[in-house]
Amino acid sequence: DIVMTQSPDSLAVSLGERATINCKSSQSVLYSSNNKNYLAWYQQKPGQPPKLLIYWASTRESGVPDRFSGSGSGTDFTLTISSLQAEDVAVYYCQRYYHTPPLTFGPGTKVDIK
Amino acid sequence: QVQLVESGGGVVQPGRSLRLSCAASGFTFSSFAMHWVRQAPGKGLDWVAVISYDGSDKYYADSVKGRFTISRDNSKNTLFLQMNSLRVEDTAVYYCARGLEMATIMAAFDIWGQGTMVTVSS
Repeated sequence: DIVMTQSPDSLAVSLGERATINCKSSQSVLYSSNNKNYLAWYQQKPGQPPKLLIYWASTRESGVPDRFSGSGSGTDFTLTISSLQAEDVAVYYCQRYYHTPPLTFGPGTKVDIK
Repeated sequence: QVQLVESGGGVVQPGRSLRLSCAASGFTFSSFAMHWVRQAPGKGLDWVAVISYDGSDKYYADSVKGRFTISRDNSKNTLFLQMNSLRVEDTAVYYCARGLEMATIMAAFDIWGQGTMVTVSS
């Protein structure tokens, strides 16, 4: 089975500081025929459905603030919030959507204000 | 506006069945793959099933294979999840979600419903 892991499980960052979340896939999500990484990032706030932030590992969804950025390739990926705002308190999930299902989610990383 | 609205959740005994629906509006439903994702109370996201834009391809998580069936009615812009032989561990909020790109299963999920709660308990 393909496993997605995230680190850390949780982190607390001061307002205006950088937050970094890591995601690792047990198998590559890079599709060689189009050189795209089939990796997405979602934000979920309490009582709300998830919201797509990043797809193709680094493409920001329309309307997502540019303080959110994604990077990485193959099996290792990072979501960075460059300057944490109060409204960014949430749980963040990575997800592989490569090839055939299952389209596995990572276990999530909780981000709080320090 | 683009919207997904789930319905059909409730409290059911183990071993019984339930059918969830997801009504889509604001986009060409028949052009997009659709997914069900669940979230147990206090837990993470758990992908359940996907159906291709035309209903020809369906895939399931191992945990629900043989018990759940995903289907769609493109004439009514509605997605379904038939859940049979329900177990206590199926208790969760069930979300429907749309694949970002047309005509492919391999896409991130850009539109999500608000979810419907399913509780399996005796």
